[in-house]
Amino acid sequence: KAGVTQTPRYLIKTRGQQVTLSCSPISGHRSVSWYQQTPGQGLQFLFEYFSETQRNKGNFPGRFSGRQFSNSRSEMNVSTLELGDSALYLCASSSAETQYFGPGTRLLVL
Amino acid sequence: GEDVEQSLFLSVREGDSSVINCTYTDSSSTYLYWYKQEPGAGLQLLTYIFSNMDMKQDQRLTVLLNKKDKHLSLRIADTQTGDSAIYFCAETPAPYGGSQGILIFGKGTKLSVKP
Repeated sequence: KAGVTQTPRYLIKTRGQQVTLSCSPISGHRSVSWYQQTPGQGLQFLFEYFSETQRNKGNFPGRFSGRQFSNSRSEMNVSTLELGDSALYLCASSSAETQYFGPGTRLLVL
Repeated sequence: GEDVEQSLFLSVREGDSSVINCTYTDSSSTYLYWYKQEPGAGLQLLTYIFSNMDMKQDQRLTVLLNKKDKHLSLRIADTQTGDSAIYFCAETPAPYGGSQGILIFGKGTKLSVKP
Protein backbone atom coordinates (compact mmCIF):
# COMPACT_ATOMS: atom_id res chain seq x y z
CA LYS A 1 0.00 0.00 0.00
CA ALA A 2 1.17 3.51 -0.68
CA GLY A 3 1.93 5.58 2.40
CA VAL A 4 0.50 8.90 3.49
CA THR A 5 1.23 11.64 0.98
CA GLN A 6 1.27 15.37 1.60
CA THR A 7 1.43 18.24 -0.87
CA PRO A 8 3.14 20.54 -1.26
CA ARG A 9 6.32 19.56 0.56
CA TYR A 10 7.58 23.12 0.92
CA LEU A 11 5.80 26.43 0.92
CA ILE A 12 6.81 30.06 1.42
CA LYS A 13 4.13 32.63 2.20
CA THR A 14 4.01 36.14 3.58
CA ARG A 15 2.17 37.40 6.64
CA GLY A 16 -1.55 37.90 6.10
CA GLN A 17 -1.83 35.37 3.29
CA GLN A 18 -3.68 32.09 3.57
CA VAL A 19 -2.51 28.59 2.75
CA THR A 20 -4.08 25.21 2.02
CA LEU A 21 -2.25 21.95 2.65
CA SER A 22 -3.36 18.58 1.35
CA CYS A 23 -3.10 15.06 2.73
CA SER A 24 -3.97 11.72 1.14
CA PRO A 25 -4.25 8.93 3.69
CA ILE A 26 -3.37 5.29 3.28
CA SER A 27 -6.04 3.51 1.26
CA GLY A 28 -8.83 2.28 3.51
CA HIS A 29 -8.00 4.59 6.43
CA ARG A 30 -10.90 6.83 7.39
CA SER A 31 -9.28 8.89 10.13
CA VAL A 32 -6.91 11.74 9.30
CA SER A 33 -5.17 13.83 11.96
CA TRP A 34 -3.07 16.97 11.61
CA TYR A 35 -0.18 18.10 13.80
CA GLN A 36 2.03 21.16 13.93
CA GLN A 37 5.72 20.72 14.77
CA THR A 38 7.87 23.66 15.85
CA PRO A 39 11.22 23.76 17.66
CA GLY A 40 9.69 25.59 20.63
CA GLN A 41 6.36 23.82 21.12
CA GLY A 42 7.19 20.41 19.69
CA LEU A 43 4.43 18.32 18.17
CA GLN A 44 0.93 19.63 18.82
CA PHE A 45 -2.37 18.11 17.78
CA LEU A 46 -4.47 20.34 15.52
CA PHE A 47 -7.56 18.31 14.62
CA GLU A 48 -8.84 14.92 13.56
CA TYR A 49 -11.34 14.02 10.89
CA PHE A 50 -13.26 10.80 10.56
CA SER A 51 -15.74 10.08 7.79
CA GLU A 52 -15.83 13.75 6.72
CA THR A 53 -16.57 15.01 10.25
CA GLN A 54 -14.25 16.79 12.63
CA ARG A 55 -14.11 14.43 15.57
CA ASN A 56 -11.57 16.19 17.78
CA LYS A 57 -9.89 19.58 17.87
CA GLY A 58 -6.76 20.79 19.59
CA ASN A 59 -6.10 24.15 21.18
CA PHE A 60 -5.48 26.31 18.11
CA PRO A 61 -7.16 29.55 17.01
CA GLY A 62 -10.00 29.58 14.51
CA ARG A 63 -7.57 30.63 11.74
CA PHE A 64 -6.73 26.94 11.53
CA SER A 65 -9.42 24.88 9.87
CA GLY A 66 -9.73 21.68 7.95
CA ARG A 67 -12.02 19.38 6.09
CA GLN A 68 -12.21 15.85 4.83
CA PHE A 69 -13.64 14.63 1.57
CA SER A 70 -15.63 11.50 0.81
CA ASN A 71 -12.48 9.74 -0.42
CA SER A 72 -10.86 10.47 3.00
CA ARG A 73 -8.42 12.99 1.57
CA SER A 74 -8.07 15.96 3.88
CA GLU A 75 -7.08 19.58 3.60
CA MET A 76 -6.12 22.06 6.25
CA ASN A 77 -6.29 25.80 5.81
CA VAL A 78 -4.56 28.56 7.72
CA SER A 79 -5.86 32.06 7.14
CA THR A 80 -4.19 35.38 7.95
CA LEU A 81 -0.79 33.80 8.36
CA GLU A 82 1.49 34.93 11.18
CA LEU A 83 5.25 34.49 11.50
CA GLY A 84 4.64 31.98 14.29
CA ASP A 85 2.78 29.70 11.90
CA SER A 86 6.11 28.71 10.36
CA ALA A 87 6.33 25.00 11.10
CA LEU A 88 6.32 21.49 9.78
CA TYR A 89 2.71 20.35 9.34
CA LEU A 90 2.27 16.62 9.60
CA CYS A 91 -0.70 14.57 8.58
CA ALA A 92 -1.37 11.06 9.88
CA SER A 93 -3.87 8.43 8.91
CA SER A 94 -5.14 5.87 11.39
CA SER A 95 -6.10 2.27 11.29
CA ALA A 96 -7.27 0.76 14.58
CA GLU A 97 -4.55 1.50 17.14
CA THR A 98 -1.83 2.95 14.91
CA GLN A 99 -1.14 6.28 13.22
CA TYR A 100 1.06 6.53 10.16
CA PHE A 101 2.57 9.86 9.28
CA GLY A 102 3.30 11.55 6.00
CA PRO A 103 6.55 13.40 5.22
CA GLY A 104 5.04 16.76 6.17
CA THR A 105 4.70 20.16 4.58
CA ARG A 106 7.27 22.71 5.68
CA LEU A 107 5.70 26.16 5.77
CA LEU A 108 7.79 29.29 6.06
CA VAL A 109 6.00 32.57 6.72
CA LEU A 110 7.98 35.73 5.92
CA GLY B 1 -3.91 17.33 32.06
CA GLU B 2 -1.91 15.06 29.85
CA ASP B 3 1.85 15.52 29.63
CA VAL B 4 4.70 13.41 28.33
CA GLU B 5 8.28 13.98 29.48
CA GLN B 6 11.52 12.80 27.92
CA SER B 7 15.17 13.66 28.38
CA LEU B 8 16.40 15.73 25.46
CA PHE B 9 19.70 14.05 24.56
CA LEU B 10 21.38 10.66 24.64
CA SER B 11 24.81 9.76 23.29
CA VAL B 12 26.05 6.19 22.91
CA ARG B 13 28.81 4.31 21.13
CA GLU B 14 28.07 2.12 18.13
CA GLY B 15 27.34 -1.44 19.25
CA ASP B 16 26.16 -0.42 22.73
CA SER B 17 22.54 -0.54 23.87
CA SER B 18 20.53 2.67 24.03
CA VAL B 19 17.76 3.21 26.54
CA ILE B 20 15.38 6.11 26.01
CA ASN B 21 13.02 6.91 28.85
CA CYS B 22 9.63 8.58 28.99
CA THR B 23 7.13 9.42 31.71
CA TYR B 24 3.48 10.16 31.11
CA THR B 25 0.70 11.46 33.31
CA ASP B 26 -2.51 9.99 31.90
CA SER B 27 -2.94 6.63 33.61
CA SER B 28 -5.96 5.95 31.40
CA SER B 29 -3.93 5.94 28.18
CA THR B 30 -4.76 2.84 26.20
CA TYR B 31 -1.72 2.74 23.93
CA LEU B 32 1.79 4.15 24.16
CA TYR B 33 4.00 4.66 21.14
CA TRP B 34 7.55 5.23 20.02
CA TYR B 35 8.21 7.17 16.83
CA LYS B 36 11.50 8.00 15.10
CA GLN B 37 12.19 11.16 13.15
CA GLU B 38 15.21 11.63 10.93
CA PRO B 39 16.29 15.10 9.76
CA GLY B 40 13.84 16.63 7.31
CA ALA B 41 11.49 13.67 7.49
CA GLY B 42 8.11 12.78 8.96
CA LEU B 43 7.54 10.40 11.86
CA GLN B 44 8.16 6.69 11.50
CA LEU B 45 6.22 4.39 13.81
CA LEU B 46 8.72 2.11 15.52
CA THR B 47 6.57 0.19 17.94
CA TYR B 48 3.70 0.53 20.39
CA ILE B 49 2.42 -1.21 23.47
CA PHE B 50 -1.04 -1.74 24.87
CA SER B 51 -1.45 -0.52 28.41
CA ASN B 52 -2.20 -3.99 29.82
CA MET B 53 1.21 -5.28 28.71
CA ASP B 54 4.48 -4.70 30.49
CA MET B 55 6.93 -5.66 27.77
CA LYS B 56 7.07 -5.97 24.01
CA GLN B 57 10.04 -7.07 21.91
CA ASP B 58 10.46 -6.46 18.19
CA GLN B 59 13.85 -7.43 16.76
CA ARG B 60 16.39 -4.95 18.24
CA LEU B 61 13.68 -2.97 20.04
CA THR B 62 12.36 -3.71 23.53
CA VAL B 63 9.63 -1.63 25.12
CA LEU B 64 9.10 -1.76 28.87
CA LEU B 65 6.02 -0.30 30.52
CA ASN B 66 5.70 0.36 34.24
CA LYS B 67 2.08 1.44 34.68
CA LYS B 68 2.43 2.05 38.40
CA ASP B 69 5.18 4.63 37.83
CA LYS B 70 3.80 5.74 34.43
CA HIS B 71 7.19 5.05 32.92
CA LEU B 72 7.91 3.81 29.41
CA SER B 73 11.31 2.94 27.98
CA LEU B 74 12.68 1.98 24.60
CA ARG B 75 15.80 -0.13 24.44
CA ILE B 76 17.69 -0.40 21.16
CA ALA B 77 20.15 -3.27 21.13
CA ASP B 78 23.39 -3.09 19.12
CA THR B 79 22.86 0.59 18.28
CA GLN B 80 24.08 1.61 14.83
CA THR B 81 24.97 5.02 13.37
CA GLY B 82 21.79 4.74 11.30
CA ASP B 83 19.81 4.84 14.54
CA SER B 84 20.85 8.47 15.08
CA ALA B 85 17.59 10.41 15.07
CA ILE B 86 15.02 11.98 17.39
CA TYR B 87 12.80 9.52 19.23
CA PHE B 88 9.34 10.55 20.38
CA CYS B 89 7.22 8.92 23.03
CA ALA B 90 3.45 9.42 22.62
CA GLU B 91 0.23 8.48 24.37
CA THR B 92 -3.45 8.38 23.48
CA PRO B 93 -5.13 10.62 26.07
CA ALA B 94 -8.27 9.46 27.82
CA PRO B 95 -9.99 12.90 27.85
CA TYR B 96 -10.46 12.43 24.14
CA GLY B 97 -12.14 9.09 24.75
CA GLY B 98 -8.96 7.22 24.05
CA SER B 99 -9.30 8.08 20.38
CA GLN B 100 -6.40 6.69 18.41
CA GLY B 101 -6.72 9.71 16.16
CA ILE B 102 -5.02 11.86 18.79
CA LEU B 103 -1.51 11.54 20.12
CA ILE B 104 0.18 13.58 22.82
CA PHE B 105 3.92 13.68 22.22
CA GLY B 106 6.95 14.27 24.36
CA LYS B 107 9.54 16.79 23.17
CA GLY B 108 11.73 14.02 21.78
CA THR B 109 15.12 12.54 22.69
CA LYS B 110 17.95 13.18 20.25
CA LEU B 111 20.04 10.02 20.01
CA SER B 112 23.62 10.45 18.78
CA VAL B 113 25.56 7.33 17.95
CA LYS B 114 29.34 7.67 17.85
CA PRO B 115 31.34 5.27 15.67
